[in-house]
Amino acid sequence: DAKTTQPTSMDCAEGRAANLPCNHSTISGNEYVYWYRQIHSQGPQYIIHGLKNNETNEMASLIITEDRKSSTLILPHATLRDTAVYYCIVRVRGDSWGKLQFGAGTQVVVTP
Amino acid sequence: NAGVMQNPRHLVRRRGQEARLRCSPMKGHSHVYWYRQLPEEGLKFMVYLQKENIIDESGMPKERFSAEFPKEGPSILRIQQVVRGDSAAYFCASSQLEEFYTEAFFGQGTRLTVV
Repeated sequence: DAKTTQPTSMDCAEGRAANLPCNHSTISGNEYVYWYRQIHSQGPQYIIHGLKNNETNEMASLIITEDRKSSTLILPHATLRDTAVYYCIVRVRGDSWGKLQFGAGTQVVVTP
Repeated sequence: NAGVMQNPRHLVRRRGQEARLRCSPMKGHSHVYWYRQLPEEGLKFMVYLQKENIIDESGMPKERFSAEFPKEGPSILRIQQVVRGDSAAYFCASSQLEEFYTEAFFGQGTRLTVV
């Protein structure tokens, strides 16, 4: 069973920020939050990960609440190419990458 | 540095035939993972291999499926006597080390259609 819950879908206007929530209320102290996305007919693409501090890279920002029970992925300026399914995953430090549990994710549709 | 390469991208097999899916990991990566994605579903882990060793095959169906990662050459996922329920996208991922801070990179997948 997936350890995270995400909304099934959301729409976002091109050029606006997209804020994708994820609930991981049972996360343990040694679990990190990872985000991947899967553009239609392609393999999953790594976006970002974090433990408890907010993180930012060239693709996105990750905001993790102080109690770590939820997080938000922020795409600062969504483009049409950001239309994809976004997966929020928790992963134990040192665990095999084979233990990734992809849930249903959030289908994000960016509209012109 | 080329990414994870999978071939073929699309594969059509008749029921009862064998399917062979190949995965070449990124340069320097010695860990390979196979995932399956059934239509309208999320990715499910199948097997984790290092060179010449199967580390974790807990997600592999007990029959007809096998995987290898030889010392030389790509990793192979083999499905014998395919059935229509095997129709899915099969993704391969690789990582450099089984270290926490490295992410796994995925290939573009092989879409298997059984007719």
